[in-house]
Amino acid sequence: GEDVEQSLFLSVREGDSSVINCTYTDSSSTYLYWYKQEPGAGLQLLTYIFSNMDMKQDQRLTVLLNKKDKHLSLRIADTQTGDSAIYFCAENAGGTSYGKLTFGQGTILTVHP
Amino acid sequence: SAVISQKPSRDICQRGTSLTIQCQVDSQVTMMFWYRQQPGQSLTLIATANQGSEATYESGFVIDKFPISRPNLTFSTLTVSNMSPEDSSIYLCSVHGGVTDTQYFGPGTRLTVL
Repeated sequence: GEDVEQSLFLSVREGDSSVINCTYTDSSSTYLYWYKQEPGAGLQLLTYIFSNMDMKQDQRLTVLLNKKDKHLSLRIADTQTGDSAIYFCAENAGGTSYGKLTFGQGTILTVHP
Repeated sequence: SAVISQKPSRDICQRGTSLTIQCQVDSQVTMMFWYRQQPGQSLTLIATANQGSEATYESGFVIDKFPISRPNLTFSTLTVSNMSPEDSSIYLCSVHGGVTDTQYFGPGTRLTVL
């Protein structure tokens, strides 16, 4: 079955870049997503990438996809204290699994002043 | 983007009772999804709710425990039945964004069972 793995913790200094990594096992994944969850809040969709892309950039966010290694990363440039949150990667296998996401465990990002 | 609201936002319930969670979307969608996030854990799909047919449940989830209604294309309910403390979780409603292939989530219902 599908499996998505993330490192659990990341600590960075304000102004530095953060890189959150994710690996997945389902080679039929069509879309991969990054969500942000702040304490006590719901999930905010940050960005997503289609499986035929290598990279997607959206303001401070850069998503890199290595489909051969089934590795996904999210880079946050100029990280701010407001970026402190839990970041989840998720895959959508598409086809008959349309709309069903498999989530990683989440990476807790802590940004220090 | 889809705007999703859920009611209630949080509740504290007694063991053995049931709670119905409502999900409202601001546009018509074919499929709605219910997820559970247990404390300190990731999200797990409970079931897919299609309008006009029975919900499809994932492994480990059954209709008797989590009955779902889908009366129209903008609304769904999830009931957590005969609750126990192990049901304490955040329950989230989700919809697929159609042509953009994005997946949106509601704010969640934080349930505590005593």
